Amino acid sequence: DGGITQSPKYLFRKEGQNVTLSCEQNLNHDAMYWYRQDPGQGLRLIYYSQIVNDFQKGDIAEGYSVSREKKESFPLTVTSAQKNPTAFYLCASSITLGNEQFFGPGTRLTVL
Amino acid sequence: AQSVTQLDSQVPVFEEAPVELRCNYSSSVSVYLFWYVQYPNQGLQLLLKYLSGSTLVESINGFEAEFNKSQTSFHLRKPSVHISDTAEYFCAVILLPLRAGGTSYGKLTFGQGTILTVHP
Repeated sequence: DGGITQSPKYLFRKEGQNVTLSCEQNLNHDAMYWYRQDPGQGLRLIYYSQIVNDFQKGDIAEGYSVSREKKESFPLTVTSAQKNPTAFYLCASSITLGNEQFFGPGTRLTVL
Repeated sequence: AQSVTQLDSQVPVFEEAPVELRCNYSSSVSVYLFWYVQYPNQGLQLLLKYLSGSTLVESINGFEAEFNKSQTSFHLRKPSVHISDTAEYFCAVILLPLRAGGTSYGKLTFGQGTILTVHP
C-alpha cells in the first residue's frame, strides 16, 4: 500500500527533553510538510521541504528542526526551546510543491 | 497574505437534513481550493478540490462545493447527511501563480475548521 506513515501514534516526554517524530512516505513525492494542530486553530505549517537536502521554515518554526536526507523521510525534532510542544503533529507530502497534499495519521505529543 | 475563514466553528444537524459549511478566503490572485475531512485522532483526507474548469465540484460520498470567485467563497454542501459524516472539516487554499521563491509559494493555508455533528 502506498501512503504516509507516522510513528509513534502517541508520545509522552518530560519537559526539557528533545523528541523526534518520524514521517515516511512511499508515494515518490518530492515535497513534504510538517503541521501542528491545536484545537480551534486549524493547521499551522512548521517546516516544508521541496526536495531532498532542502527545507524551509514555515509559519511557526521556532523550537523545531528537520532534516531531509532521503526522499522518503522527513523527521521532525521538537526541541526543549519549543515553549508549548503538546499538540497533534501531522506530516504531509505532495508530488511537487503546490500540489494536492496527502496526510499521515498524525502523532499526538504530550509533554509532562 | 491570504487567509481562510470558516464562519462556523460547530454545526449540529439531524440525520438526513441538508448541511452547508461555509468557507471564505481573501486573495487578490487566483487560487486552488480544497476541502479536507478529519475523523477523531486521524489525519486529514481530501474530500474535494477545485483547480480549474467547472466551478461545481463533487465528492464520491455526496458532498459538493461551488467556487464563487466574486464572493471569494467555496462553501461545502450535502443534501442529506449521515451519522458517519460527523467529523471536522477544513477548507484550504493555495495561491496562484506558483512563483518559485515567493513567500506564499506552494503553501497550503487552512481555515480554523468546522466540527459537523450529525444527531440521530
